[in-house]
Amino acid sequence: KNQVEQSPQSLIILEGKNCTLQCNYTVSPFSNLRWYKQDTGRGPVSLTIMTFSENTKSNGRYTATLDADTKQSSLHITASQLSDSASYICVVSVHNAGNMLTFGGGTRLMVKP
Amino acid sequence: EPEVTQTPSHQVTQMGQEVILRCVPISNHLYFYWYRQILGQKVEFLVSFYNNEISEKSEIFDDQFSVERPDGSNFTLKIRSTKLEDSAMYFCASSEGGRGNQPQHFGDGTRLSIL
Repeated sequence: KNQVEQSPQSLIILEGKNCTLQCNYTVSPFSNLRWYKQDTGRGPVSLTIMTFSENTKSNGRYTATLDADTKQSSLHITASQLSDSASYICVVSVHNAGNMLTFGGGTRLMVKP
Repeated sequence: EPEVTQTPSHQVTQMGQEVILRCVPISNHLYFYWYRQILGQKVEFLVSFYNNEISEKSEIFDDQFSVERPDGSNFTLKIRSTKLEDSAMYFCASSEGGRGNQPQHFGDGTRLSIL
């Protein structure tokens, strides 16, 4: 069964600090991996999309990595801001069913002043 | 920046009643989706829709559910004979293309409460 697992479940950091969120997946055959940010009460917003041939992709202070061999991804947030407080969701797409996304449970990040 | 809009933001319905959730996708997008998120659980794919047809659906999307694009702007999800377990946040999304690496743009959801 296709699954996406994320860790940690929740994380508290101080403003200005960096953090790294982890994602492991068992989706096969793999098409691409996405990271979304979801603010409380809002819909998910796309941060990055990576195919199996991409190892790293950045979007401002967000940098995602992908190791398709070990089926792991990480999202690194640099110089965190209060507005980074949100859930970060790892989402994997199955090859030839590219519109059917499998979601992880998310990491709830809280950035404190 | 163009947005996906969903109405209503909160819908309260008696069990057994029919409910229609409405979405206005981004205007030049051609692919449309519905997802649901039960409180405290993961977001789950329900259905994708292209060219007035369902292109993919999950096992959740059974005969109780239907989707429609009644005009050039709206995309609806109908749930017949609602059950308590249908209570969830329902998200609509759209994408410009159908390739697997196209970003999907989500609305802010409709919270459905079944009493």
